[in-house]
Amino acid sequence: EVKLLESGGGLVQPGGSMRLSCAASGFTFTDFYMNWIRQPAGKAPEWLGFIRNKANGYTTEYNPSVKGRFTISRDNTQNMLYLQMNTLRAEDTATYYCARSTRVGIWFAYWGQGTLVTVSS
Amino acid sequence: DIQMTQSPASLSASLGETVTIECLASEDIYSNLAWYQQKPGKSPQLLIYDASSLQDGVPSRFSGSESGTQYSLEINSLQSEDAATYFCQQHHDYPYTFGAGTKLELK
Repeated sequence: EVKLLESGGGLVQPGGSMRLSCAASGFTFTDFYMNWIRQPAGKAPEWLGFIRNKANGYTTEYNPSVKGRFTISRDNTQNMLYLQMNTLRAEDTATYYCARSTRVGIWFAYWGQGTLVTVSS
Repeated sequence: DIQMTQSPASLSASLGETVTIECLASEDIYSNLAWYQQKPGKSPQLLIYDASSLQDGVPSRFSGSESGTQYSLEINSLQSEDAATYFCQQHHDYPYTFGAGTKLELK
């Protein structure tokens, strides 16, 4: 069974940093692109970026809305996905999800339960 | 970025009815569209991908179709458990973008 479990959310001050983690299990982690998606309360999800699989060199792509502030990485020995967020703003307040893409396309059949990040003084 | 214009924002329907939700892409996305259902406090659940392919385990009363850059999700024989918010997502090119959502209420 595929499982994704995010952690690391909480309250952070504007301008601060935070790192989110996602523990993956139930599948061969290195075979899949892994994504971060966020969703402000009552709004639509926003794709933040992905990190490719082993076959594609673990390279990354980002939404321009967060490029330069957010960094996605993975530890393939621990089956962990990370999102490093810097220079946080109030508008970054949202529930953050990790999600697994499929082998053939970037749609999301598997999501974690989400972790809430609140940026406020 | 590819814009996904979703309509209606909300709708109310009765048990057993059929409803249709639409998403209009700002450019050709070549059938690269997914639909999700989200209930309060839960993660989105994939219903359909590639515009019309039903995800494993999703009831056959859900179906997807397309006409040009207009994509539709049809839900037949509405059940009480279908009350939720539905989102479309283009998976043609990054940044992958979602529609604003349609909140479906059961009367």
